[in-house]
Amino acid sequence: SQQGEEDPQALSIQEGENATMNCSYKTSINNLQWYRQNSGRGLVHLILIRSNEREKHSGRLRVTLDTSKKSSSLLITASRAADTASYFCATDSGGGADGLTFGKGTHLIIQP
Amino acid sequence: DAGITQSPRHKVTETGTPVTLRCHQTENHRYMYWYRQDPGHGLRLIHYSYGVKDTDKGEVSDGYSVSRSKTEDFLLTLESATSSQTSVYFCAISLTGGNTEAFFGQGTRLTVV
Repeated sequence: SQQGEEDPQALSIQEGENATMNCSYKTSINNLQWYRQNSGRGLVHLILIRSNEREKHSGRLRVTLDTSKKSSSLLITASRAADTASYFCATDSGGGADGLTFGKGTHLIIQP
Repeated sequence: DAGITQSPRHKVTETGTPVTLRCHQTENHRYMYWYRQDPGHGLRLIHYSYGVKDTDKGEVSDGYSVSRSKTEDFLLTLESATSSQTSVYFCAISLTGGNTEAFFGQGTRLTVV
């Protein structure tokens, strides 16, 4: 079953604006990860935030995690055309081997 | 890109035929995964492996089998392909499992006609 659910399903903004995507999940987690997928390509890892962390930064990316609300957000600041992609959150509940559970993704379009 | 190669990249096959997809890694990562990606479903886990000859089922394993005889190779077999198995298949690897980042292959687009 789907663990994470991204919101919105699609987002279109102007280049230079900030983009915010949200992810909600159902069960307790060990960590939450965000991935990007360009059209026709594999997924690329962006950032991992552990359950005992509340916020994490990586370049223009900022991720927050609220375990009490079972939600996370991904903020991309000063968006660029190259940020056009689908973004997925993924959770690890099993603590080890059994992989990640992905949401359905947010499709982000950056208008030049 | 991490050293992950999927083959073939594209395949069209007929209903009822067996199909094997291959994932090859050069990273010596212990964990390997097969996912399928379908519109409206995101990625769903088919099978995973936590070592040579150690495999287990994922969320959508019916109709699929896997084998891992070497660290670097993880094979996904569709025993008798059905149209519902038309999808894009992704292999992923991870050093220590779900608590670290996963690296994905470029995907295999499979069409069952």
